[in-house]
Amino acid sequence: KNEVEQSPQNLTAQEGEFITINCSYSVGISALHWLQQHPGGGIVSLFMLSSGKKKHGRLIATINIQEKHSSLHITASHPRDSAVYICAVTHSIIQGAQKLVFGQGTRLTINP
Amino acid sequence: DGGITQSPKYLFRKEGQNVTLSCEQNLNHDAMYWYRQDPGQGLRLIYYSQIVNDFQKGDIAEGYSVSREKKESFPLTVTSAQKNPTAFYLCASSMWARMTGELFFGEGSRLTVL
Repeated sequence: KNEVEQSPQNLTAQEGEFITINCSYSVGISALHWLQQHPGGGIVSLFMLSSGKKKHGRLIATINIQEKHSSLHITASHPRDSAVYICAVTHSIIQGAQKLVFGQGTRLTINP
Repeated sequence: DGGITQSPKYLFRKEGQNVTLSCEQNLNHDAMYWYRQDPGQGLRLIYYSQIVNDFQKGDIAEGYSVSREKKESFPLTVTSAQKNPTAFYLCASSMWARMTGELFFGEGSRLTVL
């Protein structure tokens, strides 16, 4: 069993739908990251959170430390949201460098 | 604008050749990382560096080497000892801190061994 599990692995939806991607982890963490990987391969950090909820535009990320679970929500989804969304947790910090454990990613496709 | 630049974006290599992937950042970050991504798998850590002239092996360091002579630069060499080098390679950086910091990634380098 992977230390970071995402679901679903693939998600196809129509433009405008509300999207939820889930992430569960089994290790102790100091932070959780949501990343977006574009079709070309580059990765952008969307959120870093250690408690509660963060919102940026149409994106919302929540985390429940007790349940070791996080969700990424996209409201009013748009075809440009199509990407792979990756959940990663900071498992430890060694002399200032973060050791991250990554989920396998969720491939999201939004159809017009 | 600050960011991370990786080059080349695409690279083809014959078996038995060493290749070096470049990673440069102008974010003034102390920590830099190299990850490997294979289809259907999560990113795996190859090497990381907390500070100039110091670096540590990650989970899959065999067949790779790095250097950190300047704060801005963290090149990765894929040696002929790496048995399965065809993959997508990502460089990242973050602030040195006791607490976690946001990670910044490059656009990646796709290496294909012919």
